Amino acid sequence: RKEVEQDPGPFNVPEGATVAFNCTYSNSASQSFFWYRQDCRKEPKLLMSVYSSGNEDGRFTAQLNRASQYISLLIRDSKLSDSATYLCVVNPGNNRKLIWGLGTSLAVNP
Amino acid sequence: GAVVSQHPSRVICKSGTSVKIECRSLDFQATTMFWYRQFPKQSLMLMATSNEGSKATYEQGVEKDKFLINHASLTLSTLTVTSAHPEDSSFYICSATPGNVGETQYFGPGTRLLVL
Repeated sequence: RKEVEQDPGPFNVPEGATVAFNCTYSNSASQSFFWYRQDCRKEPKLLMSVYSSGNEDGRFTAQLNRASQYISLLIRDSKLSDSATYLCVVNPGNNRKLIWGLGTSLAVNP
Repeated sequence: GAVVSQHPSRVICKSGTSVKIECRSLDFQATTMFWYRQFPKQSLMLMATSNEGSKATYEQGVEKDKFLINHASLTLSTLTVTSAHPEDSSFYICSATPGNVGETQYFGPGTRLLVL
């Protein structure tokens, strides 16, 4: 089993739709989690950190389910500008480096 | 806050030459910086972890003599691609963390290298 797994997509949704991505991780001792966004030919940018109580920032909501070892990202009222690759990142703890998922591609269509 | 710069943004060079890429944390000190490579339509691949004042830690399959990393200060790490070949053409991205290794990373804008 991969340490961090994401559905690569692509997810094609119309503007205004709600879309959700899941990301599973294998190490139950993982300490913290992040969602990054990467646009084509650009560097990844931090979208949000994921806390045990969940985290909401405008149209974006991230949730953590430790029992099932997954994190989710929900995007409401999708915009064309949300089209990007969304990367799930896990901090395994013990001062080890972050583990990156391969990303989920989202295309929001007019 | 947490701004990382990278220079140059784009470089074209002849096969056999060496190319140096700089990564700077502008508003924070970064004990640890990371160097990634990304080929078109592929995921990020971690090349090495750069630690200030000590030798870099390279990922399996990455040649340390080909990709020289120097992390001379808490705000600067450099990656030198020595004797570059066309297969080294890629998007090289650095990141830095103001905290421990497993904490949030902030990325530079990347360097697009084309070796002719």
